[in-house]
Amino acid sequence: EVQLVESGGGLVQPGGSLRLSCEASGFTFSSYWMHWVRQAPGKGLVWVSRISGDGGDTRYADSVKSRFTISRDNAKNTLYLEMSSLRDEDTAVYFCARVKTDISGNYYVGYDYWGQGTLVTVSS
Amino acid sequence: EIVMTQSPATLSVSPGERATLSCRASQSVANNLAWYQQKPGQAPRLLIYGTSTRATGIPARFSGSGSGTEFTLTISSLQSEDFAVYYCQQYNDWPPLTFGGGTKVEIK
Repeated sequence: EVQLVESGGGLVQPGGSLRLSCEASGFTFSSYWMHWVRQAPGKGLVWVSRISGDGGDTRYADSVKSRFTISRDNAKNTLYLEMSSLRDEDTAVYFCARVKTDISGNYYVGYDYWGQGTLVTVSS
Repeated sequence: EIVMTQSPATLSVSPGERATLSCRASQSVANNLAWYQQKPGQAPRLLIYGTSTRATGIPARFSGSGSGTEFTLTISSLQSEDFAVYYCQQYNDWPPLTFGGGTKVEIK
């Protein structure tokens, strides 16, 4: 059974840092692109970042670029999101999600598995 | 960045009735569109990808259609478990991947 379990959320002051983790099980973690998606309280879904299976290809939303770093440890089956210079507007539930690709295996078509989310609250 | 707009924001439907949800893209996304369902306190669930392909385990009462900039998710006969928020997402031109603002389907 595929499982994604996030951890690391909590209350942090503006300007602070936090590292989120997403532990994967039930599939060959290194074979999948992984993403982070966030959702502010009562709001919609917003894409944050992505990373390739080998960790060599990363991209970020403009709103988090230069402040957040996505990484992975395939030996530990774990995805990370290192967040720094946090702002009030970063307050959200952060989900990790596994990418579903098309039949060729090359193109994104959606997220087939999601974690339960971890809440990050940025407040003084 | 491609902006996705969903309408209506809230849809009130009686169980057993048909629900039609709309999603519009600010520019063509071809057929590179997915739909997700999200219930309170839960992660989203993939319903449809490629505009009209149901994801694994999704009932046939869910169907998607459209192309270019106009898309529709239809739930043919609403069941109690279908009352939720639905999001569309384009993946034609990214990053960033972009989602619509959501349509809440509530019990009438």
